[in-house]
Amino acid sequence: GAGVSQTPSNKVTEKGKYVELRCDPISGHTALYWYRQSLGQGPEFLIYFQGTGAADDSGLPNDRFFAVRPEGSVSTLKIQRTERGDSAVYLCASSPTGGLNTGELFFGEGSRLTVL
Amino acid sequence: KQEVTQIPAALSVPEGENLVLNCSFTDSAIYNLQWFRQDPGKGLTSLLLIQSSQREQTSGRLNASLDKSSGRSTLYIAASQPGDSATYLCAVRTITDYKLSFGAGTTVTVRA
Repeated sequence: GAGVSQTPSNKVTEKGKYVELRCDPISGHTALYWYRQSLGQGPEFLIYFQGTGAADDSGLPNDRFFAVRPEGSVSTLKIQRTERGDSAVYLCASSPTGGLNTGELFFGEGSRLTVL
Repeated sequence: KQEVTQIPAALSVPEGENLVLNCSFTDSAIYNLQWFRQDPGKGLTSLLLIQSSQREQTSGRLNASLDKSSGRSTLYIAASQPGDSATYLCAVRTITDYKLSFGAGTTVTVRA
């Protein structure tokens, strides 16, 4: 596609529910990142994929969070047993290259998650 | 761990005035620095990318400088317009890492 696409744009759920957020990166981009942004803050790193593998998941806050990228393109961020503190905007970004040669990152519009 | 600070947190100027946004980072061993714009409720739009070997980058009314040794970057926006109202974020990537570390942003309001 022309840009990074994220769905849903808004998700309201109840505490304890399971949520999936999807990211469709720019075609051909091998590197994919998930970030989380709370109100008034800069984005915080969650996980980085190079191809199909998670090269760095050190930013995932706990084991309720998991992400996959099975075919090296679309990625899904999965959150189990959601808590109110998970409420934030989840941003996805992609880059044409990865690793230490990563250049410019292109971000999607984000998925706004609200946990009631 | 790379720490990125943006000062001021908010800025309000009359239309036509030049804008100066500051970004500082603690680890000067960077690979590149990227400036983004974020409108309310929207994602991030890349404005300028400066590689560590560069001193500045320009795009239209925007100019970003980089002083790696002092850990600073400045974004200049000439002749501001109300449409420039947004939050501007600075992000840095260190040479041993591949993830961007972000500042909290500067929220700019340009008054007509």
